[in-house]
Amino acid sequence: QQQVKQSPQSLIVQKGGISIINCAYENTAFDYFPWYQQFPGKGPALLIAIRPDVSEKKEGRFTISFNKSAKQFSLHIMDSQPGDSATYFCAASKAAGNKLTFGGGTRVLVKP
Amino acid sequence: SAVISQKPSRDICQRGTSLTIQCQVDSQVTMMFWYRQQPGQSLTLIATANQGSEATYESGFVIDKFPISRPNLTFSTLTVSNMSPEDSSIYLCSVRGQKNIQYFGAGTRLSVL
Repeated sequence: QQQVKQSPQSLIVQKGGISIINCAYENTAFDYFPWYQQFPGKGPALLIAIRPDVSEKKEGRFTISFNKSAKQFSLHIMDSQPGDSATYFCAASKAAGNKLTFGGGTRVLVKP
Repeated sequence: SAVISQKPSRDICQRGTSLTIQCQVDSQVTMMFWYRQQPGQSLTLIATANQGSEATYESGFVIDKFPISRPNLTFSTLTVSNMSPEDSSIYLCSVRGQKNIQYFGAGTRLSVL
């Protein structure tokens, strides 16, 4: 049972465009929703995270939107840059710092 | 942030052998995690390793296949036992650091022939 579903699997966007990645979860006990960025040959690194008591969180060019009733959350990358080309994973856990359940990942390619 | 060192970074092993992966953290942490990531795929949790207690394994993973040691608050090992080609994967160590953020090592890329 895949508890966190992520789409799309891959995404191509022009430099300066907006990248949007969506995730849906099933377990209502999840209380912490981070996004991780992974470059080839590296481990995932935390990008931004949100809790369900907040509908939106913005850090620089990265924004998470959260819809608790729909059990969905999304990552928006504004003004996408070639350096943003990476694989992005959404995840969920029952509390910050606890074991993470990851989505399937989205490979983002930003064309110059 | 927590700096995590994993050794080896990659290895090629023969079927039937075992490999022990080391994870060293630059600060004391209570919770450590081991994940598996098959090439181009997502991450799957193998087990949670807390110092002073037995590791907790996720469904589909067993101690005989993936024994874990956690001798202190900065170190852990994962052994992949009696390997088969299906064990070819990237194995990642993760720790819960300050502000409950999970940090990941660069991983160990394992190929089993």
